[in-house]
Amino acid sequence: DVQLVESGGGLVQPGGSLRLSCAASGFNLSGYTMNWVRQAPGEGLEWVAHISSSSSRTLHYADSTKGRFTISRDNAKNSLFLQMNSLTTEDTALYYCARGRPENYFDSWGQGTLVTVSS
Amino acid sequence: DIQLTQSPSFLSASVGDRVTLTCRASQDISTFLAWYQQRSGAAPKLLIYSGSTLQSGVPSRFSGTVSGTEFTLTISSLQPEDFATYYCQYLSSFPPWTFGQGTKVDIK
Repeated sequence: DVQLVESGGGLVQPGGSLRLSCAASGFNLSGYTMNWVRQAPGEGLEWVAHISSSSSRTLHYADSTKGRFTISRDNAKNSLFLQMNSLTTEDTALYYCARGRPENYFDSWGQGTLVTVSS
Repeated sequence: DIQLTQSPSFLSASVGDRVTLTCRASQDISTFLAWYQQRSGAAPKLLIYSGSTLQSGVPSRFSGTVSGTEFTLTISSLQPEDFATYYCQYLSSFPPWTFGQGTKVDIK
């Protein structure tokens, strides 16, 4: 079965950094595009970042995270990462990793890891 | 950027009801739309992609249709496990991959 398990969330002060991880199992992560999607408390879904499959390594970011967040992958560990710097209170959210398909829909999601930015 | 507007924002319904949710795109997006279900406290789950293609394992009471820029998700007979929030997503070739604001289906 396809499984995605996020980790690395927690409480961080404004201006701080955090690195999220997403461990994949049941499929070879290198063959898929992967994404991070976040959901602020009581709010809807917001796409955050995208990394293409290993062959092209194209990266895309939402305007709200560009220049602060970096998405990456370690195919040997079958894992996805999100390095988040210069965090603000508006980055407080549950962060999901999601597997992408060629048509750009997300067919598998993790359970999420909570990031709280507060002083 | 393409904007997606879901309506209604909230819907109260009973088990067994036929329920119709709408997602309207600000421009023609062909059939490049997906629907997701998010139960309370759970991750989103893909229901439909390409406007009307049912994801494997999703019950056949869910269906999607397209008419111009209006996309519809229909639940033919609402079940207890269907009380959730539903999101549409524009499947653009390029970012951002925008979601609608969601429709919450609640128990009447």
